[in-house]
Amino acid sequence: AQKVTQAQTEISVVEKEDVTLDCVYETRDTTYYLFWYKQPPSGELVFLIRRNSFDEQNEISGRYSWNFQKSTSSFNFTITASQVVDSAVYFCALSEASIRGGGGADGLTFGKGTHLIIQP
Amino acid sequence: GAVVSQHPSRVICKSGTSVKIECRSLDFQATTMFWYRQFPKKSLMLMATSNEGSKATYEQGVEKDKFLINHASLTLSTLTVTSAHPEDSSFYICSARSRDGVVNEQFFGPGTRLTVL
Repeated sequence: AQKVTQAQTEISVVEKEDVTLDCVYETRDTTYYLFWYKQPPSGELVFLIRRNSFDEQNEISGRYSWNFQKSTSSFNFTITASQVVDSAVYFCALSEASIRGGGGADGLTFGKGTHLIIQP
Repeated sequence: GAVVSQHPSRVICKSGTSVKIECRSLDFQATTMFWYRQFPKKSLMLMATSNEGSKATYEQGVEKDKFLINHASLTLSTLTVTSAHPEDSSFYICSARSRDGVVNEQFFGPGTRLTVL
């Protein structure tokens, strides 16, 4: 069975600092997908990134960057020059490709989330 | 594009009543929809997977008779919480997977906050 661990329950930094959110996953599948979502107080999930298991390239999108390392089963997320608006709960999630999914992938297994607080 | 709506966004009901939550894909056809549950300050837990025209597949520990799921069309899935009790109070979120497009590209609805008195 798959598992996602976000060991950091809460992180508090001062604005403009860089911050890294850790994500470690477990899966027996060779084909899987990893995700990061942001959940502001409104509750709606905001999609940030999807990465499949065959693509280990790191990605940068503005102030956001992701480091995918299969060797350590990690998919860490870094926010550079953090801003108050980045304050939210961030979830890492995993989905395996399976026959049950009709060849597509199953529902997501989420980590417990990291509550990020950016102080002005 | 790729918008998923949920209705209602918030519902308060008395213990013992049933509540229906709708999940709609507004601009695409969804062969598969997923239902998640989130307790306050907790993670999201997958409850069930519904495929259009077939019975839903429930995750271990989720009561089928308690949480009835119907995926009657390619754009609509419903979750009915039957005989709701205070412990069913939670944030329920659906996601929809497009029939076309990228494999496992899921689009989440805005969620429904259920409070059972």
